[in-house]
Amino acid sequence: NTKITQSPRYLILGRANKSLECEQHLGHNAMYWYKQSAEKPPELMFLYNLKQLIRNETVPSRFIPECPDSSKLLLHISAVDPEDSAVYFCASSQDHDNSGNTLYFGEGSRLIVV
Amino acid sequence: QQKVQQSPESLIVPEGGMASLNCTSSDRNVDYFWWYRQHSGKSPKMLMSIFSNGEKEEGRFTVHLNKASLHTSLHIRDSQPSDSALYLCAARKGYNKLTFGKGTVLLVSP
Repeated sequence: NTKITQSPRYLILGRANKSLECEQHLGHNAMYWYKQSAEKPPELMFLYNLKQLIRNETVPSRFIPECPDSSKLLLHISAVDPEDSAVYFCASSQDHDNSGNTLYFGEGSRLIVV
Repeated sequence: QQKVQQSPESLIVPEGGMASLNCTSSDRNVDYFWWYRQHSGKSPKMLMSIFSNGEKEEGRFTVHLNKASLHTSLHIRDSQPSDSALYLCAARKGYNKLTFGKGTVLLVSP
């Protein structure tokens, strides 16, 4: 799936800071960050629509999202914790408020905290 | 809180066999259901969606929805080893966030 690109694909961190990047080429208005831990379904972290933060789920403050434009999404992570080891998926949909819109996922960024 | 229950947790079917997966929402106001397939180490990919009562078929895949019981099922006929994956059911109520079930792990044995 090259329509939603994420980088880096793999990340090994101690307690350093790092940013995940995502860009979608689908012309969608809504962009999301999901976290998928081992043996669990994806869990919503943040939702942006047209650069505006719409949903901010219960996420530790060390995760800070940024949406510089409607096709790009960043996730800044500081002082990671071992529980942060997971795959972080960027996703997008046409709009956030049309309940029939399908969600499309990027290939994910696998974070390993050492 | 909206919950999506999937069964079975795991399933083994022989190559060429039929796989049947189930999903039920506990929220009576759920409007839309999706089925996603996630191969190991990959991202979830939307397989099928169903919004109305009845049945929808696409190739080897058939989805049923009963809105009265908030139950959807996915049936895969002529299962192939490449169908081995985690199948996630997702449901949405109005403008609420999409809620995923815990998934069914399907293994198709050659």
